[in-house]
Amino acid sequence: AQTVTQSQPEMSVQEAETVTLSCTYDTSESDYYLFWYKQPPSRQMILVIRQEAYKQQNATENRFSVNFQKAAKSFSLKISDSQLGDAAMYFCAYRRNWYNAGNMLTFGGGTRLMVKP
Amino acid sequence: GAGVSQSPSNKVTEKGKDVELRCDPISGHTALYWYRQSLGQGLEFLIYFQGNSAPDKSGLPSDRFSAERTGGSVSTLTIQRTQQEDSAVYLCASSLDGTANTGELFFGEGSRLTVL
Repeated sequence: AQTVTQSQPEMSVQEAETVTLSCTYDTSESDYYLFWYKQPPSRQMILVIRQEAYKQQNATENRFSVNFQKAAKSFSLKISDSQLGDAAMYFCAYRRNWYNAGNMLTFGGGTRLMVKP
Repeated sequence: GAGVSQSPSNKVTEKGKDVELRCDPISGHTALYWYRQSLGQGLEFLIYFQGNSAPDKSGLPSDRFSAERTGGSVSTLTIQRTQQEDSAVYLCASSLDGTANTGELFFGEGSRLTVL
């Protein structure tokens, strides 16, 4: 079974600074997807960024980028130029790449990010 | 609708009562998922629907939990004889097609259940 671990329950960053959230996972599969989701106080999970395991290039979405280390099974999220609106719970998630297996995600325990003005 | 809609937003019930939580997915999405999020925890997978059938019910924690989906659209999660440990936020998500590899789930805002 796949497991996803986020070792930082809470992180804090100064506005406009950069912060990195850590995620490690365990799988025996070679083809899969990894995701970072953001959950603000509204509770709605919002997709931040996605990485396909077969792609060596790290995904980037504006101020958000990942450092994907497949051999180390590590998938960290870097937020640059942090903004107050970035304060939220962040969840790392794994999905196997099997046709017709559904899009079920396995989530880590989450990291609460606080942004100081 | 424009997004995944869940109701009720909040539900307080007494131990032993039955509750029903509703999820209305994005129009046209064939796959629907239920997750449970206990206080301060990550998301725990409960059940997945492709159309009206549930290929994977492996996450349902006990036989007090059941779910159905009708017309390939709305889904209801039912918890019978609720216990205090059932208190959690129940999140519903939908995706365009559970067989495709797009991987993006769209989530609702969840139903917060409190069992007294």
